[in-house]
Amino acid sequence: QVQLVQSGAEVKKPGASVKVSCKASGYTFSNYPMHWVRQAPGQRLEWMGWINAGNGDTKYSQKFQGRVTITRDTSASTAYMELRSLTSEDTAVYYCATLYGQGYYMDVWGKGTTVTVSS
Amino acid sequence: DIQMTQSPSSLSASVGDRVTFTCQASQDISKSLNWYQQKPGKAPKLLIYDASISETGVPSRFSGGGSGTYFTFTISSLQPEDIATYYCQQYDNLVTFGGGTKVEIK
Repeated sequence: QVQLVQSGAEVKKPGASVKVSCKASGYTFSNYPMHWVRQAPGQRLEWMGWINAGNGDTKYSQKFQGRVTITRDTSASTAYMELRSLTSEDTAVYYCATLYGQGYYMDVWGKGTTVTVSS
Repeated sequence: DIQMTQSPSSLSASVGDRVTFTCQASQDISKSLNWYQQKPGKAPKLLIYDASISETGVPSRFSGGGSGTYFTFTISSLQPEDIATYYCQQYDNLVTFGGGTKVEIK
């Protein structure tokens, strides 16, 4: 079945970077974009950006532009999200997902990766 | 960026009640809207896409409507398992989520 498996929880110090991975299975990885969405404790879902898994094109939310990089390795069917210059406000659960919309008709989410930023 | 505003932010109703809440977009998004259900500690689950079409396997008590800038989500008969936070999400221009409506049982 279609599945997105994310890497494990991370604890980082302020100013550091984090890189979260998302391995896809059960479908042709390059046929669907991969989105990254985060959710701080008790807060709303927040879209960070997406990557066209076929050609590698990316689009980012203005809020994270310049601080986030989304990449993919098609040979490993894996997408990555790197967030730099972390602060305590980046403490959140980070999800990868193939969202329904914009011509794509599959909506699957990973279980989430908890990133804690603390000194 | 397109802003999505949900109201109310929370509501409390009795089992069997009809529950409706809304989502407003800051500009016309046609029917490019999804509704998600999220339970604590879980990833969101898609219930409605293209504003009004139910995802396969979603109970018929869930429905969506609207177009342009105003959208509604209705639970026709609230069940205990419907306790969750519901999010609207636009995909007309990039992606934006609403602030959520938390549904509780009275």
